[in-house]
Amino acid sequence: DQQVKQNSPSLSVQEGRISILNCDYTNSMFDYFLWYKKYPAEGPTFLISISSIKDKNEDGRFTVFLNKSAKHLSLHIVPSQPGDSAVYFCAASPFETSGSRLTFGEGTQLTVNP
Amino acid sequence: NAGVTQTPKFQVLKTGQSMTLQCAQDMNHEYMSWYRQDPGMGLRLIHYSVGAGITDQGEVPNGYNVSRSTTEDFPLRLLSAAPSQTSVYFCASSYSGSGFQETQYFGPGTRLLVL
Repeated sequence: DQQVKQNSPSLSVQEGRISILNCDYTNSMFDYFLWYKKYPAEGPTFLISISSIKDKNEDGRFTVFLNKSAKHLSLHIVPSQPGDSAVYFCAASPFETSGSRLTFGEGTQLTVNP
Repeated sequence: NAGVTQTPKFQVLKTGQSMTLQCAQDMNHEYMSWYRQDPGMGLRLIHYSVGAGITDQGEVPNGYNVSRSTTEDFPLRLLSAAPSQTSVYFCASSYSGSGFQETQYFGPGTRLLVL
């Protein structure tokens, strides 16, 4: 039972364009959502998060949108840069364990072409 | 700060062998956890600890043991390795495991191959 799902294993975009990565979840207890970025042979690094009381959170080129009714979130990267090429993981947890006991999606490999 | 460190980086085991994956953090974090990453499945929580002397099971605990005798260290033990435990293992830590919207810091991972 995959409670957090990233349906696109890969995404390829041109440098300067927008990258949109999607994530769906099924567990209504999830209140806190995070995106992690992972380069090969390294551990995941935190990128951006959003709690269920918000529908949008921005940090520089990165924006996360949350649609609670649809149980869907997305990560927008604008403009995309070649250094953004990595695997992006969506993760979620209930509020009481915010940020700790995470349920991860399968990951999406983003490739940004120069 | 070194952050979260893991040793070894890579290990090959034969079925039935035992080994301990080491994890240490120097950020004085109370919460530590172990995940495994398998192709097409993302990261799955194995065990976690909310402080020294306290551990609990995650989503996929079978075949693994943990202990937390100090705040800094959280070793993961495989008592009798099986090919199904071939994976990349990540240790993570954060200040607290609950009540805060905080992030976890991950180590660089240990790649384990069980033949």
